[in-house]
Amino acid sequence: QQPVQSPQAVILREGEDAVINCSSSKALYSVHWYRQKHGEAPVFLMILLKGGEQKGHDKISASFNEKKQQSSLYLTASQLSYSGTYFCGTVGRAGGTSYGKLTFGQGTILTVHP
Amino acid sequence: EAGVAQSPRYKIIEKRQSVAFWCNPISGHATLYWYQQILGQGPKLLIQFQNNGVVDDSQLPKDRFSAERLKGVDSTLKIQPAKLEDSAVYLCASSFETGRDEKLFFGSGTQLSVL
Repeated sequence: QQPVQSPQAVILREGEDAVINCSSSKALYSVHWYRQKHGEAPVFLMILLKGGEQKGHDKISASFNEKKQQSSLYLTASQLSYSGTYFCGTVGRAGGTSYGKLTFGQGTILTVHP
Repeated sequence: EAGVAQSPRYKIIEKRQSVAFWCNPISGHATLYWYQQILGQGPKLLIQFQNNGVVDDSQLPKDRFSAERLKGVDSTLKIQPAKLEDSAVYLCASSFETGRDEKLFFGSGTQLSVL
């Protein structure tokens, strides 16, 4: 089951903040975030494994709400280099363990202008 | 550290022709993945190998797509015959292990256009 990302696109000025959401209709074991610049390979940002877990990577951080079956990616004080398409990937949960393959959402296009 | 290598970078073919893509994963990575990324969508897993064995090929259209990973290193993905809807970027990725929480390293992909 493909996770749903929102919004589909975001346009920012440098220094502004953004939030990208990733929701699933099924119980989640883990959430993965990748960024892909135009014409390039997706690059790993972070994996969240536990409900309530928050991780940070420079000024990019993410949270994982296991009960709501969703994750949010926070981009703070955005830079031009943050432009790209952000994908979340989810792995389902069955009981206390992972189930199924990593499935990516449709992506959120982030554009940062000077 | 060398990344995941893919070739060719671009390929244009006519429908019903055949095409092959090559991938060389990061040295020491046991798991290799082929993804199909249609314009405007997220990557979709086609096939996953652990060493030279297939772990998951449930979304591979086996009537036209085939893949192999001989000797557990390089891999080739083939399409024969190609259809218009096969136009996409084909991404190869590798990871150190096979667990579902593994960080994936992607190659730059092969952009296929079927005319």
